[in-house]
Amino acid sequence: QVLLVESGGGLVKPGGSLRLSCAASGFIFTDYHVTWLRQAPGKGLEFVSQISPSGSTISYVDSVKGRFTVSRDNANNALYLQMNSLRAEDSAVYYCARTPLDTTMAPYFDYWGQGTPVTVSS
Amino acid sequence: SYELTQPPSVSVSPGQTASITCSGDKLGTKYASWYQQKPGQSPVLVIYQDTKRPSGIPERFSGSNSGDTATLTISGTQPMDEGDYYCQAWDSIADVVFGGGTTLTVL
Repeated sequence: QVLLVESGGGLVKPGGSLRLSCAASGFIFTDYHVTWLRQAPGKGLEFVSQISPSGSTISYVDSVKGRFTVSRDNANNALYLQMNSLRAEDSAVYYCARTPLDTTMAPYFDYWGQGTPVTVSS
Repeated sequence: SYELTQPPSVSVSPGQTASITCSGDKLGTKYASWYQQKPGQSPVLVIYQDTKRPSGIPERFSGSNSGDTATLTISGTQPMDEGDYYCQAWDSIADVVFGGGTTLTVL
């Protein structure tokens, strides 16, 4: 079955860095875009970053551009999110999600991981 | 930027039909998806590409999208359907956009 398992979250001081990982299994990883999304405590869902199967096409929400870097290791079915210069407003549960993207070019998220919490606080 | 607007809450009696709306400029020209999230759990896709239902999602969940409004309809609502529901669309400029979420209460 499709499984996505995030790790790497934790408590970090403002200005600090974290690297999140997402281990994928149960599907052909190189057939799919994958996406990082987040949810601040008591808030709604927010798109963070997306990467294409080859890694050649990447997008970010404006608020993380220049601070976060998404990457993937197709040989090991893994997705990463390097987060630098973290701010309090980055505190959230971070999810990775499998992202089918067909000719409609309209992404949706059909499988989600369990999430990993990130807290940015002094 | 592109925005999607949902009502904060919807209440329905068990067995009745619940409708949750999602409004955005010319939303009907984009594809809408819907996610269900129960407390402490990850979101689950219940509708994609306006009307399609993933395998394992009950037939009582259906979707439509026209004009400026997408609608998630739950027929014969059950207590297990309680939770938060989020609509989502893709805009060529704003990229992936979510609505603010709607809490469905079955009482």
